[in-house]
Amino acid sequence: DQQVKQNSPSLSVQEGRISILNCDYTNSMFDYFLWYKKYPAEGPTFLISISSIKDKNEDGRFTVFLNKSAKHLSLHIVPSQPGDSAVYFCAASVNFGNEKLTFGTGTRLTIIP
Amino acid sequence: EAGVAQSPRYKIIEKRQSVAFWCNPISGHATLYWYQQILGQGPKLLIQFQNNGVVDDSQLPKDRFSAERLKGVDSTLKIQPAKLEDSAVYLCASSSRDNIQYFGAGTRLSVL
Repeated sequence: DQQVKQNSPSLSVQEGRISILNCDYTNSMFDYFLWYKKYPAEGPTFLISISSIKDKNEDGRFTVFLNKSAKHLSLHIVPSQPGDSAVYFCAASVNFGNEKLTFGTGTRLTIIP
Repeated sequence: EAGVAQSPRYKIIEKRQSVAFWCNPISGHATLYWYQQILGQGPKLLIQFQNNGVVDDSQLPKDRFSAERLKGVDSTLKIQPAKLEDSAVYLCASSSRDNIQYFGAGTRLSVL
């Protein structure tokens, strides 16, 4: 039972354009969402998060949008840079502070120079 | 600040053998996690420690997997005996009060 789904295994975007990565979830108890970025041979690194009381959170070039009614969140990267090429994982937890994360399967983002 | 340290980076064993992985979390982080990441999937939580106590081990296959965190600092994860389906990357992570999990580079296990 995949509670967090990333339906696009890969995405290619031109440098300078917007990258949009999508994530869907099924568990309505999830109320805290995170995005992690992973380079080859490294562990995932935290990128940005959002709690269910918000519908948008922004940090520099990265913005996460949450649509609770659709159980959908997205990560926008503007403008995309070659260093953004990585695998991006969406993760969710029940009750901020519970700490148990459920991860999606990841989307491989390739930025084309 | 040093990150989460894991060793070894790679391990190749034959099925039915045993293997152990080691993790040293970020200094001061009370919570430590072990994840299993099978190729093409996201990380799956195996066990969570708070200091040296187990918080959640509901997804740990206890017939073959064991983990300990003596003295509430570093931790070991053991598999005995290993099966082919245990081939994966084993990730260790730690967190403090901000609840952000910081991951190590992982140990890639191949079971032949």
